[in-house]
Amino acid sequence: NAGVTQTPKFQVLKTGQSMTLQCAQDMNHEYMSWYRQDPGMGLRLIHYSVGAGITDQGEVPNGYNVSRSTTEDFPLRLLSAAPSQTSVYFCASATTGANVLTFGAGSRLTVL
Amino acid sequence: GDSVTQMEGPVTLSEEAFLTINCTYTATGYPSLFWYVQYPGEGLQLLLKATKADDKGSNKGFEATYRKETTSFHLEKGSVQVSDSAVYFCALRTNAGKSTFGDGTTLTVKP
Repeated sequence: NAGVTQTPKFQVLKTGQSMTLQCAQDMNHEYMSWYRQDPGMGLRLIHYSVGAGITDQGEVPNGYNVSRSTTEDFPLRLLSAAPSQTSVYFCASATTGANVLTFGAGSRLTVL
Repeated sequence: GDSVTQMEGPVTLSEEAFLTINCTYTATGYPSLFWYVQYPGEGLQLLLKATKADDKGSNKGFEATYRKETTSFHLEKGSVQVSDSAVYFCALRTNAGKSTFGDGTTLTVKP
């Protein structure tokens, strides 16, 4: 059982470039989410999804897009990278309700 | 809105010392409460949880009790080890599936 798989683990971009962070889970979880983790700021929710075809904005959605075409996958797209998007990104999934989140190992993004 | 406030770090302890990391929350309704741990270079993983008032979550010697009257979920361990060095996050999750995290507390245990 792989759990939550994120790729790539590391990425360096130039300002203005676009890219997609991939997230896949094999636990049939309805809920999937993306967080960013910055020093001293804990985890901030970017976007989330409660099922295939349904997405919604979190606390810091600007500059990011998501889609949920299947239950398993929840990619995060950076449309035009900015240095302020330098961060560690975590994908997390859960069953519906007040249940435990399962996190991926993280993707460290640097925007120059 | 919902919020979680946890003890600011960093916290540095000697091996076998007693650990307390305070966590208080505000939320509507009756959320579930969690402590997650993050080891260097890894994602967060569940340490323990409690789903209703007066429940005690425990794992690996860590404990936390869901105190509705004080809206708290303090993490404790009687004797810490060097291997407990990590960042600890308190979190809540509502029945609607919304999660809120504290800012994290970095624990360093010295031999």
